[in-house]
Amino acid sequence: DTAVSQTPKYLVTQMGNDKSIKCEQNLGHDTMYWYKQDSKKFLKIMFSYNNKELIINETVPNRFSPKSPDKAHLNLHINSLELGDSAVYFCASSHPGLAGADTQYFGPGTRLTVL
Amino acid sequence: GEDVEQSLFLSVREGDSSVINCTYTDSSSTYLYWYKQEPGAGLQLLTYIFSNMDMKQDQRLTVLLNKKDKHLSLRIADTQTGDSAIYFCAEKKTGGSYIPTFGRGTSLIVHP
Repeated sequence: DTAVSQTPKYLVTQMGNDKSIKCEQNLGHDTMYWYKQDSKKFLKIMFSYNNKELIINETVPNRFSPKSPDKAHLNLHINSLELGDSAVYFCASSHPGLAGADTQYFGPGTRLTVL
Repeated sequence: GEDVEQSLFLSVREGDSSVINCTYTDSSSTYLYWYKQEPGAGLQLLTYIFSNMDMKQDQRLTVLLNKKDKHLSLRIADTQTGDSAIYFCAEKKTGGSYIPTFGRGTSLIVHP
């Protein structure tokens, strides 16, 4: 019955490693997103995909590479992890909905800790 | 300044009403949203209001929109300890990106 799911929920890794976070939505939405939430709870958009095509790529280091194998999945790969990458990463999806409200449905988050 | 501003903390007593305020800068905003984030969880949409409305009520929640002052508020009646969470205000502008802009969130603490 899960709407937007992410794996893993927790990720602890060393600086310099490469890691991936996976996201899946079963809502039939066309658009998916990755957000980063820092320790002060500030939520920042990183990427947006619509029907497997990259729509928005905010100012994010190119160590971060999203991949969308199909419109239900959006994965995030991070190369050469840095201490500043420690945060909670949220996947979300949306659909224009009634009158274009574009309500966002969020996953539970992946807490990444870089040591 | 930021596009969407909220105060960071609000503390209320159980049973009282809570009012969480938000100001935004873009008068062309079409939709304004309130999301709730419980500890260790993702954001969950509580309610949204279209910019041609002044008020929207949904059970214990009342949203008020003052377009002239670009001010949005969320009132929670009879606040319960389960309402303790971070509440995010967000706006979506007409045209251009369909991604809402989020405020920094208001931590609501409900104490007995």
